[in-house]
Amino acid sequence: KAGVTQTPRYLIKTRGQQVTLSCSPISGHRSVSWYQQTPGQGLQFLFEYFSETQRNKGNFPGRFSGRQFSNSRSEMNVSTLELGDSALYLCASGSGGPLLNEQFFGPGTRLTVL
Amino acid sequence: DAKTTQPPSMDCAEGRAANLPCNHSTISGNEYVYWYRQIHSQGPQYIIHGLKNNETNEMASLIITEDRKSSTLILPHATLRDTAVYYCIVFSGSARQLTFGSGTQLTVLP
Repeated sequence: KAGVTQTPRYLIKTRGQQVTLSCSPISGHRSVSWYQQTPGQGLQFLFEYFSETQRNKGNFPGRFSGRQFSNSRSEMNVSTLELGDSALYLCASGSGGPLLNEQFFGPGTRLTVL
Repeated sequence: DAKTTQPPSMDCAEGRAANLPCNHSTISGNEYVYWYRQIHSQGPQYIIHGLKNNETNEMASLIITEDRKSSTLILPHATLRDTAVYYCIVFSGSARQLTFGSGTQLTVLP
């Protein structure tokens, strides 16, 4: 079956703008988690959505938000972009069970903020 | 979740076994040891996980010490495509997120 897809793959924005990233999970998966990866901080958890509800949230400011649709597709939004938001944004798809081995990562969206 | 310690980098000759160590001395009884890897600029890929017993799958073997304070991921016949950052993660079912450390950069040399 098809893997996790993320769009767009690359994005360039300027400070102060906002951006929306999209993630389509594996068919049948109901959980979508988002991670930010930067050279300085590594991979950090942003939030998880399950059945259209945010189930867990990491330690990021309110500028980072997300949502999940009834078809399990998820979007992540970052408002008032800062230079430090430049990162690889990854989403992970899972059935929603407690076992991490059910999480499958997409290829990521590379965001550059100028 | 318990923290893990991994060497920052390791080299391995192609065709040889790659043994990647991980220390997790504060692991608790209900925490699993997971291994993921990330090939440059791609999403992390699940490799294997275990609780107490040694585990093997088509990709790798996981050896967990009896006191569970450390583990070793073994890639039996490393290839150039195994060059990646390998992450050892300790996780309990109650935490619904992966906490990645710095990982080990494994370089497989021809």
